[in-house]
Amino acid sequence: GAVVSQHPSRVICKSGTSVKIECRSLDFQATTMFWYRQFPKQSLMLMATSNEGSKATYEQGVEKDKFLINHASLTLSTLTVTSAHPEDSSFYICSARNGDQGTYEQYFGPGTRLTVT
Amino acid sequence: AQSVTQLDSQVPVFEEAPVELRCNYSSSVSVYLFWYVQYPNQGLQLLLKYLSGSTLVESINGFEAEFNKSQTSFHLRKPSVHISDTAEYFCAVTITGNQFYFGTGTSLTVIP
Repeated sequence: GAVVSQHPSRVICKSGTSVKIECRSLDFQATTMFWYRQFPKQSLMLMATSNEGSKATYEQGVEKDKFLINHASLTLSTLTVTSAHPEDSSFYICSARNGDQGTYEQYFGPGTRLTVT
Repeated sequence: AQSVTQLDSQVPVFEEAPVELRCNYSSSVSVYLFWYVQYPNQGLQLLLKYLSGSTLVESINGFEAEFNKSQTSFHLRKPSVHISDTAEYFCAVTITGNQFYFGTGTSLTVIP
């Protein structure tokens, strides 16, 4: 149990276009989902926290207008990178908390490799 | 604020040898501790966690970690490593389960 999927696993887009990444909790309801960014050989940096049905909370330094997050249901959150530029190329990972369990654990998706050319 | 320090960025070790990956944390309040493993181009997989109770926690694949409150450490150990253990290992802490603070990771390379 507690599986989180991401789609797509890899995406290449041209500079100036927008890209949407989906994060789904497959076998549990995720009241809270998180989006991380990971640069090569570095740790994960939390970008934002999204709660179902409300606006996302962004970490300091993360542009909310560039990284649009929508948590429309208890099993789906989306991250849209708008007007992507090469510096947005990175590995994006989502995670989710199981609201029914009340535990402190986050379940991580497999990640999405974004390359902006 | 909370922080996590993984002192060793790279750890090479021969197959079947023991290994210890170090993790120290800083926090003014009680924390919950996790070790995650990441294989190339994949997300993070939970290896083990300490929430409460016994300070020694074990994973199903032979890893163990011991929570030492006085030394604010949560070092990961395995008595005999396999080639398949080659991966990136991240230590993380959280207070509420929302904000996770990750260390910079330790790259474990098992040498045949």
